[in-house]
Amino acid sequence: DVKVTQSSRYLVKRTGEKVFLECVQDMDHENMFWYRQDPGLGLRLIYFSYDVKMKEKGDIPEGYSVSREKKERFSLILESASTNQTSMYLCASDSHGQGTDTQYFGPGTRLTVL
Amino acid sequence: GNSVTQMEGPVTLSEEAFLTINCTYTATGYPSLFWYVQYPGEGLQLLLKATKADDKGSNKGFEATYRKETTSFHLEKGSVQVSDSAVYFCALTPRGGSNYKLTFGKGTLLTVNP
Repeated sequence: DVKVTQSSRYLVKRTGEKVFLECVQDMDHENMFWYRQDPGLGLRLIYFSYDVKMKEKGDIPEGYSVSREKKERFSLILESASTNQTSMYLCASDSHGQGTDTQYFGPGTRLTVL
Repeated sequence: GNSVTQMEGPVTLSEEAFLTINCTYTATGYPSLFWYVQYPGEGLQLLLKATKADDKGSNKGFEATYRKETTSFHLEKGSVQVSDSAVYFCALTPRGGSNYKLTFGKGTLLTVNP
């Protein structure tokens, strides 16, 4: 089974802190994604990566950056956390280019910014 | 652009009731269609999918049929259980090309009472 893990289930940070959310997948997938999930808004794509060191902005990239130095790891960075970034963050991966278009999700990180 | 519209709920049913959650989409070409489920405190997991018109996806007693003529992918289950209580997301991804981002609906909260 595909496994996507996220570094923390719950995180509490203060306004202005730099925050790192880590995601690791074990199925050699090319594509990795970061979403945020908010009540009434569903899932919104922040950034995605289709290869090592490659990234593309999603629908809501403002206030975030990403890093993909190794194929299995995709990091989401909040350079200066703000209260409106309090949310559930979900990481996903897939191998779309290899004949399957199913995304596999991690368990999520619930981030609270005080 | 691509979009997914699903009934927002919440939906509350008694055990063994019939479930329908409506989902319609707007997309160019022939997208792949998905239903994802999110159980309390967990990430999303794929419930079922269909990749071409008239395909029926099925899993765990749930079914959905890809209807190109009505651009719909409604989720149904004949007899729900308490353990089906979760948030259900309809989603699509374009076929082919380099655009493989998932577009999600806003999710439907289902509560099943004993």
